[in-house]
Amino acid sequence: GENVEQHPSTLSVQEGDSAVIKCTYSDSASNYFPWYKQELGKGPQLIIDIRSNVGEKKDQRIAVTLNKTAKHFSLHITETQPEDSAVYFCAASTKGFQKLVFGTGTRLLVSP
Amino acid sequence: DAGVIQSPRHEVTEMGQEVTLRCKPISGHDYLFWYRQTMMRGLELLIYFNNNVPIDDSGMPEDRFSAKMPNASFSTLKIQPSEPRDSAVYFCASGSPPYEQFFGPGTRLTVL
Repeated sequence: GENVEQHPSTLSVQEGDSAVIKCTYSDSASNYFPWYKQELGKGPQLIIDIRSNVGEKKDQRIAVTLNKTAKHFSLHITETQPEDSAVYFCAASTKGFQKLVFGTGTRLLVSP
Repeated sequence: DAGVIQSPRHEVTEMGQEVTLRCKPISGHDYLFWYRQTMMRGLELLIYFNNNVPIDDSGMPEDRFSAKMPNASFSTLKIQPSEPRDSAVYFCASGSPPYEQFFGPGTRLTVL
């Protein structure tokens, strides 16, 4: 089955810096790649997603890139703010939004 | 809409007892998902339903776990008998393709 690896496990940046989180997946049939943000004591919340027919997607300070050949995708957050501090999860699925396989998470800490 | 509702938010029980977790999905969503989150194994999909019918239960760890969805607005995840290794945060999510899965706030289960 699908396997998703995520790096780094923790990431500390200064406010205003950029943050990059990387994920690799194993199943070349995967076609949907969402990113979720989880704040303490809450459930994960979708922040951006990308489908296999697109190489890049941007939403304000957040962007995701997908390299299908290398089977990896990345989350880019620019001009980080303290409220970006949270755990971020990547996921992949071969069945659209249904059967998501999650990465192990990245704890992002943005210091003022 | 109030979002996905889960109850209880916290549950502490003793080994061997039956535990029932409850979920009310967002109205109109035809998919419902149950996840388990632990430090060791991350976020795992246990089972999901489409139009109240179980589609994939391959993530259910063992026969002690069972899930039902008697109608479009209610689902339960039952553990009988519970064991300490079942301690985790259990999330319910709902959605309709091709859009995102919306997660509930989770139930923190502690089995002593």
